[in-house]
Parts: sequence; structure tokens; C-alpha cells
Amino acid sequence: AQSVTQLGSHVSVSEGALVLLRCNYSSSVPPYLFWYVQYPNQGLQLLLKYTSAATLVKGINGFEAEFKKSETSFHLTKPSAHMSDAAEYFCAVSEAGNTGKLIFGQGTTLQVKP
Amino acid sequence: NAGVTQTPKFQVLKTGQSMTLQCAQDMNHEYMSWYRQDPGMGLRLIHYSVGAGITDQGEVPNGYNVSRSTTEDFPLRLLSAAPSQTSVYFCASSYTGTGYYEQYFGPGTRLTVT
Repeated sequence: AQSVTQLGSHVSVSEGALVLLRCNYSSSVPPYLFWYVQYPNQGLQLLLKYTSAATLVKGINGFEAEFKKSETSFHLTKPSAHMSDAAEYFCAVSEAGNTGKLIFGQGTTLQVKP
Repeated sequence: NAGVTQTPKFQVLKTGQSMTLQCAQDMNHEYMSWYRQDPGMGLRLIHYSVGAGITDQGEVPNGYNVSRSTTEDFPLRLLSAAPSQTSVYFCASSYTGTGYYEQYFGPGTRLTVT
């Protein structure tokens, strides 16, 4: 069965510093992978997705993620954090067989310090 | 397009009461789903539907019912509310034609059961 692990439930960075949020997955088939962002008291918004095209995926708000099959990872990065990036971030993998189900990680709360 | 809408935004129930959480989408998406979000647990799938008249259980279906009489609407019913159902509930929809089921989320319903 697929699973997703996000390393670190809380990550704190200074404004302008590199953001790195870690996601590892397990899947028996080539996965579709997603990163979502949730701002306080809002729903989830898609940041980016990997759908077996380019392994380096660029998303909204300057975020990108690299699919590394050998490491079963899909880490999210941004070169320079902004205060507005403070939110909760979720990594998700689609269930095998194109059922439509998403399996989510536990989430990582990003704090950005001035 | 309004996207995915959910009502109510907030609800307080007493143990044993029943209620229906409403979800509607105007994107003509075949696939709809309900998740609950609890701290440290990410999002867990409650029920999902691949089209009108077709529903199935997710990871945590106990205590919840769904039906899908139209493409647009996918209500979630709590039969007899329990404190363990205190959570934030998200409805999502996706187009199935791409094969990777990119999901669009509603703003959520925050439910408290006392």
C-alpha cells in the first residue's frame, strides 16, 4: 500500500532563507505526487504536481520539487522564504490503479521568522 | 466558476444529533470525496464517489453516510454525532480525464461535537 512520510511536523526558517520541506513516499507503481498548501482557516490549494513528465516540477509562488525515484522522495523547496509562505504543507501520493484516492502525509507547518 | 463550495462553515452539535454537511461543485467533475483533517494526522478519506449514483468507503467511513444523486452535489451525513467526529471536514472534486485526479478542495466545515 502507498504511504507518505513528511519529515518534520514543524519547520522554522528566517525570511530570505531556503525552504526545504521533505517528503518520502512508498509506492509499488510509478506515482503521481502532489504538494498542497493550506493557509490558516482555508482549504487546500495545489502548489505543484508530478505526473511522470519532467522530474523537476515548478509550482506557484516560487516553489519547486524534484522527483527522485532512487530516493523515493519529492522534497519541496523555495530559494527565499517570504513571510506569506507561513502555512501548512501537505505531500500526497495518488493511490495505484487510478482510483482517484489521495494518500496524504501528516503535514508540515512552516514558520517564517522576520 | 465558484469551484467547490461547502456549507456551513462552522457547526456545533450535541452528542447524538444528526446533520448534513453540504458540498457542491460547478466544474462538472466526476470524482468527489470527503476528508476529515485532524491535528498531526493529515487528511483522511471518509467516502468518495466516481460519478452520480456511485459511492464507496474510504479509510474512516464509520458514522458517516453519503449519496450522489447529481454530478454537482455530494452531501455528507452524520447519523449520530460523537465527540470523536469533532474535526474539520473538506470536500474535494476532480476531473478524471487526465488520469492523475488533481483534486480541488472546498474551504472546509469546522465541526465541534460536545
